[in-house]
Amino acid sequence: GAVVSQHPSRVICKSGTSVKIECRSLDFQATTMFWYRQFPKQSLMLMATSNEGSKATYEQGVEKDKFLINHASLTLSTLTVTSAHPEDSSFYICSARDAQRGDTGELFFGEGSRLTVL
Amino acid sequence: QKEVEQDPGPLSVPEGAIVSLNCTYSNSAFQYFMWYRQYSRKGPELLMYTYSSGNKEDGRFTAQVDKSSKYISLFIRDSQPSDSATYLCAMGFRGYQKVTFGTGTKLQVIP
Repeated sequence: GAVVSQHPSRVICKSGTSVKIECRSLDFQATTMFWYRQFPKQSLMLMATSNEGSKATYEQGVEKDKFLINHASLTLSTLTVTSAHPEDSSFYICSARDAQRGDTGELFFGEGSRLTVL
Repeated sequence: QKEVEQDPGPLSVPEGAIVSLNCTYSNSAFQYFMWYRQYSRKGPELLMYTYSSGNKEDGRFTAQVDKSSKYISLFIRDSQPSDSATYLCAMGFRGYQKVTFGTGTKLQVIP
């Protein structure tokens, strides 16, 4: 299957700082990437849909000024958690869809990034 | 009512057992269906993808879709301790980018 690389896998930061998480599709082009948040023992919560070359679409209740998403190329999307606070501590996962397969293609996930805000 | 319902488990089975994991859904517009396996603290791994009613087999895994009943299943034959993970069902439809996930079923295969 296709490979999605996510970095860093684990990050610890102080409250008030910003953290950037990268999501790369390694062997395919992704016009659309998705960012999720997952709390312990819970399912994936979609935060936003990232479209290459345009603004991200955020789900209801997700602060766009806090969770900045940039999808500058067909293989890279970034999520920046700005002015992070302890309640932002979570597991963040990205996923991507092969552009050649259209909107019914399989969704491939990165390994996830565990953010801990002290 | 949630769009996708999935029993969270946990489900414990002995090694070698046949495992049946299920999801029901309410939106008859869903056109394709996926099963993911997620190990603790890892991203979900795609196991099966199907878009039609019937069965699809891949090794020890069989995905079954019954669109008339709005019910999908994943069967795991000869289950192994390494199959212990959370299994998520997911589904979507053409023209709509977002995919809807079940809550996941935690499976434990006991040696």
